[in-house]
Amino acid sequence: DAGVIQSPRHEVTEMGQEVTLRCKPISGHNSLFWYRQTMMRGLELLIYFNNNVPIDDSGMPEDRFSAKMPNASFSTLKIQPSEPRDSAVYFCASTFQQGLLYNEQFFGPGTRLTVL
Amino acid sequence: QKEVEQNSGPLSVPEGAIASLNCTYSDRGSQSFFWYRQYSGKSPELIMFIYSNGDKEDGRFTAQLNKASQYVSLLIRDSQPSDSATYLCAVSRDVHASGGSYIPTFGRGTSLIVHP
Repeated sequence: DAGVIQSPRHEVTEMGQEVTLRCKPISGHNSLFWYRQTMMRGLELLIYFNNNVPIDDSGMPEDRFSAKMPNASFSTLKIQPSEPRDSAVYFCASTFQQGLLYNEQFFGPGTRLTVL
Repeated sequence: QKEVEQNSGPLSVPEGAIASLNCTYSDRGSQSFFWYRQYSGKSPELIMFIYSNGDKEDGRFTAQLNKASQYVSLLIRDSQPSDSATYLCAVSRDVHASGGSYIPTFGRGTSLIVHP
């Protein structure tokens, strides 16, 4: 398996533009997470899907952010309109979650977003 | 607000020494505790997890958990320059009574430098 795949790896855009980040989780995994990492705030959970259903989006900073998971093998995180403070590394992670015990999250390589 | 606190460091140790990384958490309902390693410019990868009070050893790594003190630590014996990275502590609880899902909270990480 190729692991979690994210695209693009780097994105540079101008303030006000729409940005779409993409993620393909590991085949067979049923849970998907979107994180944002900055020096100031560390690794923050934005949204969590289980069986393609958004379970918790309380980490989504504001209405400019939206995420979808139309099927088990694809998810998007969209920012519209983008702002300079959205500049960060965005990670997607997946796992097979069953029962109460934790299963390892596998992280993708991340998308480094720069909003000018 | 669930919080996970780590000293940002950097923690500098000589090669061959024991590196001790510490983490405290605020949520007494936390059930699962993890240590991730993140090399510069890379994504986090799981190195240890622990559920029960006490010590858990895996090779050169030992995780220690004290739920009464809300404290978890990671010891790295015989530290090597290749251990130089940021170590993220993560804590989670089962937020759905039926099981099958959880949400982790990450600390900001401790930077470890192992010098020859």
